[in-house]
Amino acid sequence: QSALTQPASVSGAPGQSITISCTGTSSDVGGYNHVSWYQQHPGKAPKLMIYEVNNRPSGISNRFSGSKSANTASLSISGLQADDEADYYCVSYSGRTGRTLDYVFGTGTKVTVL
Amino acid sequence: QVQLQESGPGLVKPSETLSLTCDVSDYSISSGYYWGWIRQPPGKGLEWIATIYGDGRSYYNPSLRSRVAISVDTSKNQFSLRLNSVTAADTAVYYCTRQYSGYDPAGYWGPGTLVAVSS
Repeated sequence: QSALTQPASVSGAPGQSITISCTGTSSDVGGYNHVSWYQQHPGKAPKLMIYEVNNRPSGISNRFSGSKSANTASLSISGLQADDEADYYCVSYSGRTGRTLDYVFGTGTKVTVL
Repeated sequence: QVQLQESGPGLVKPSETLSLTCDVSDYSISSGYYWGWIRQPPGKGLEWIATIYGDGRSYYNPSLRSRVAISVDTSKNQFSLRLNSVTAADTAVYYCTRQYSGYDPAGYWGPGTLVAVSS
């Protein structure tokens, strides 16, 4: 079960916008609208930022948005802030093992605020 | 808001069984939602291990299925993970989680517990 592919690193200056991609297959990202994104600061548990491709949980800034096209999901961060510097992971429901619950994570992306 | 807290040994010997428990507060497991375990080896990415519903329906990562068991104890409002025949590759921070909504596996996370596999 291969991990979803994310760029190892993405960087941007404060105030700028960045986008992180998450590429899978038609058995996961492309086949379902069940992609979530997590933010993880060093030494901390991950935090849910986006679920079901483009939904923000309560309390998450609208600077974070999600989208999907074919087998690639994306997380966009606008108005980049110092606290956005963290690791980001995508996860997708995967149907490759049949009609059962199965998830595959992305490889992770380190976001650096210059 | 639901609170999750992992507990268990921080050190397990190779070939033995890793056992962890997640205590849940401010929400009753039997009321619904999916509950699960995710791990992260030091310096590496996240890996989904298993998920269980309050009625006991369980789901496993195919790559770990032969060694993993997840269970729920609604009377204690906790759920557990057992991973047998561990090796150094199982050294990781283990997080217990709860679904947020839809098919999101982990809207809520415990702080995590580091389990090292070493003799």
